[in-house]
Amino acid sequence: EAGVTQFPSHSVIEKGQTVTLRCDPISGHDNLYWYRRVMGKEIKFLLHFVKESKQDESGMPNNRFLAERTGGTYSTLKVQPAELEDSGVYFCASSQDLWGGSLHFGNGTRLTVT
Amino acid sequence: GQNIDQPTEMTATEGAIVQINCTYQTSGFNGLFWYQQHAGEAPTFLSYNVLDGLEEKGRFSSFLSRSKGYSYLLLKELQMKDSASYLCAVVAPGSYIPTFGRGTSLIVHP
Repeated sequence: EAGVTQFPSHSVIEKGQTVTLRCDPISGHDNLYWYRRVMGKEIKFLLHFVKESKQDESGMPNNRFLAERTGGTYSTLKVQPAELEDSGVYFCASSQDLWGGSLHFGNGTRLTVT
Repeated sequence: GQNIDQPTEMTATEGAIVQINCTYQTSGFNGLFWYQQHAGEAPTFLSYNVLDGLEEKGRFSSFLSRSKGYSYLLLKELQMKDSASYLCAVVAPGSYIPTFGRGTSLIVHP
């Protein structure tokens, strides 16, 4: 079984630019989550999809962040325009059910905004 | 809200035993998870506790006391490959989303 894959693994952009992160969940997993870890802080929940629907987006920091999951397969997270404080590692996770222990994480995308 | 506390860093010797503590203050409780994360890799699930007591799984054990808002992860017979970050995560009632602590960076040396 292929794991959760994220692309790119690293991204360096300038403040004001746009970046789109992609996550391919494990095939058959309806639940897809985005998390973010800013340097020195905890991994924080951003949002949760069930298939193509946003179930919970309470963790999204502001309207510069837009997540989509068209067709209920892969998901994208766009940051536009990027700010310095958006730097961090963005993790995607997927699961078949809602039990937290069944979360399968990707290796993350390290975003650096300069 | 939830407040989860773990030591930032711990060091231990190969072959030894180490205990990583996690305290939490939450408005209710619906389970506690421990995840392991090696540098540059994905967090992976280690254990889940929802009732008080000790859960043993090979070299790793996890303990929970709900009345004290306290858990620990016990690693025995430490190996160099156990050097990683250990993340404590708590789920509040009515939620299914784990809230993570900052993690404890464990360094195992020869």
